[in-house]
Amino acid sequence: EAQVTQNPRYLITVTGKKLTVTCSQNMNHEYMSWYRQDPGLGLRQIYYSMNVEVTDKGDVPEGYKVSRKEKRNFPLILESPSPNQTSLYFCASRGWTGINYGYTFGSGTRLTVV
Amino acid sequence: KNEVEQSPQNLTAQEGEFITINCSYSVGISALHWLQQHPGGGIVSLFMLSSGKKKHGRLIATINIQEKHSSLHITASHPRDSAVYICAASYGNKLVFGAGTILRVKS
Repeated sequence: EAQVTQNPRYLITVTGKKLTVTCSQNMNHEYMSWYRQDPGLGLRQIYYSMNVEVTDKGDVPEGYKVSRKEKRNFPLILESPSPNQTSLYFCASRGWTGINYGYTFGSGTRLTVV
Repeated sequence: KNEVEQSPQNLTAQEGEFITINCSYSVGISALHWLQQHPGGGIVSLFMLSSGKKKHGRLIATINIQEKHSSLHITASHPRDSAVYICAASYGNKLVFGAGTILRVKS
């Protein structure tokens, strides 16, 4: 089944403790991206990657890092999380799914930073 | 600034009604997307449009490039259609989202 897998689904952490949210896709898509969703602000793009070793900032990249060492994986790294990064995070890939062309989203990661 | 405006914010319909959600955007988009988000939070891509019209089951999406406007229609609405519908515009490799429309279909 074509899918984007994010882990963990839920995470509570403390301010300043480095964390990584993993994202993996099995569709051989070149494009992957990260978004955060906040009440009243909607979805906003954090980072995207056009291919291995090619990444670029979205609209809200501050406080986040990404890497793309393999085509299937695109982890989101918070080096020093702060409470304003408490949010619902989505990873997505874009490409042909076998049925149509478009975005496939992961199930989301609900992060709480205390 | 690349923006996406969506209306209405909230929509309540009776089962069986025809529903329309509207989306307008700035110039220069490469594609327009319609997404569905259920209460559990997962996001599903419904349509990706660059011109014309697409149909999938009871869902129809249209786009008018000259007017910079897209619509999502749901025919014969059903309570299971209750969800948040989000339009998003591709500006190159960036995706900009509308605020979403909360749809509730009552039986």
